[in-house]
Amino acid sequence: DQQVKQNSPSLSVQEGRISILNCDYTNSMFDYFLWYKKYPAEGPTFLISISSIKDKNEDGRFTVFLNKSAKHLSLHIVPSQPGDSAVYFCAASGYSGGGADGLTFGKGTHLIIQP
Amino acid sequence: EPEVTQTPSHQVTQMGQEVILRCVPISNHLYFYWYRQILGQKVEFLVSFYNNEISEKSEIFDDQFSVERPDGSNFTLKIRSTKLEDSAMYFCASKEETGHNEQFFGPGTRLTVL
Repeated sequence: DQQVKQNSPSLSVQEGRISILNCDYTNSMFDYFLWYKKYPAEGPTFLISISSIKDKNEDGRFTVFLNKSAKHLSLHIVPSQPGDSAVYFCAASGYSGGGADGLTFGKGTHLIIQP
Repeated sequence: EPEVTQTPSHQVTQMGQEVILRCVPISNHLYFYWYRQILGQKVEFLVSFYNNEISEKSEIFDDQFSVERPDGSNFTLKIRSTKLEDSAMYFCASKEETGHNEQFFGPGTRLTVL
């Protein structure tokens, strides 16, 4: 039962262009969404998050968009840099006000930035 | 910048043996978590811990697993009798007690069960 889906296992983007990573969810109880970046042999690193009361959150080169009606979110990276090459995980939780909720992760998208 | 640390980085054990994985969460954080990632699969939630007790656990977290905060800094995951299918990366995470839900992850312990 995949409650969080990342349907693209990999994505190749040219350096300097925009990278768009997509994520869909099925559980209506999710109200807080996060993106993590992971390099091999390291733990996931938090990138950016968004609450369901917003439809956009921006932090430097990273912007996350949330479409609640479509249960879809996307991460935009502009401009893409070689160091962005990594696996990107979408994650979701309920109780955005806090609580000990575990995160539900997607399977990840391997982003490859080509020079 | 404060970070979550985990030891050991790699643990090899024989099937049926007990293992203890150790984590030091970020010092002012109050929520603690364990996740695992089997090779090639997604990161899966195991258990959350708050106020010295388990808050939530997944169906993966059966009687073979236990967690403990033995002192003011460490957070441990014990697997009583390891099975081959317990081989995975185990990640510890922590979160501060605010309205935000960003969990910060450690580098992981690779557990290999032979």
